[in-house]
Amino acid sequence: DQQVKQNSPSLSVQEGRISILNCDYTNSMFDYFLWYKKYPAEGPTFLISISSIKDKNEDGRFTVFLNKSAKHLSLHIVPSQPGDSAVYFCAARVSGGSARQLTFGSGTQLTVLP
Amino acid sequence: NAGVTQTPKFRILKIGQSMTLQCTQDMNHNYMYWYRQDPGMGLKLIYYSVGAGITDKGEVPNGYNVSRSTTEDFPLRLELAAPSQTSVYFCASSYSTESYEQYFGPGTRLTVT
Repeated sequence: DQQVKQNSPSLSVQEGRISILNCDYTNSMFDYFLWYKKYPAEGPTFLISISSIKDKNEDGRFTVFLNKSAKHLSLHIVPSQPGDSAVYFCAARVSGGSARQLTFGSGTQLTVLP
Repeated sequence: NAGVTQTPKFRILKIGQSMTLQCTQDMNHNYMYWYRQDPGMGLKLIYYSVGAGITDKGEVPNGYNVSRSTTEDFPLRLELAAPSQTSVYFCASSYSTESYEQYFGPGTRLTVT
């Protein structure tokens, strides 16, 4: 049972436009959400996070939105750049866990076309 | 700082062989993790450690063993390799504070034939 779902395996966007990556979750006990970015032959790198007590967090071109009632979060990248082409993973943490364990989605391959 | 390093980068094993995947971090992180990523899937937690001498199972521990004798090192052992263990393996570490960010190594691509 996938507790964190990224239903779009891939997304293509023109350079300069907005990229919107979506993530849905089923576990109401998740209290912290993260986005990771992964280039080929490299490990994932942390991009941005949001606590469940917030509905938006912004960092430069990246903004994460959280809709707790819909159990949905999204990552907006504005403007998109060719260097943003990568696989993006959504991850979530259960509240009360002591080991900082994360549950990951299956990822979305973003391609930004020049 | 080198961050999280993993060796080897690639390995081909025959069924039934054993090997150890090495992971070292130089950030003095207490928490360390091993994940596997199968094609088209997310990362699944194999084992984790909250400090030297303390390890615990994750979501998919069968066929693997770990040890944590030092803060820096967290090796993953495959005793009897099976084709189902063909995957990319990532080691990660994190601070023992309220930060949930994990730092990942570059991965080991393992093929069992």
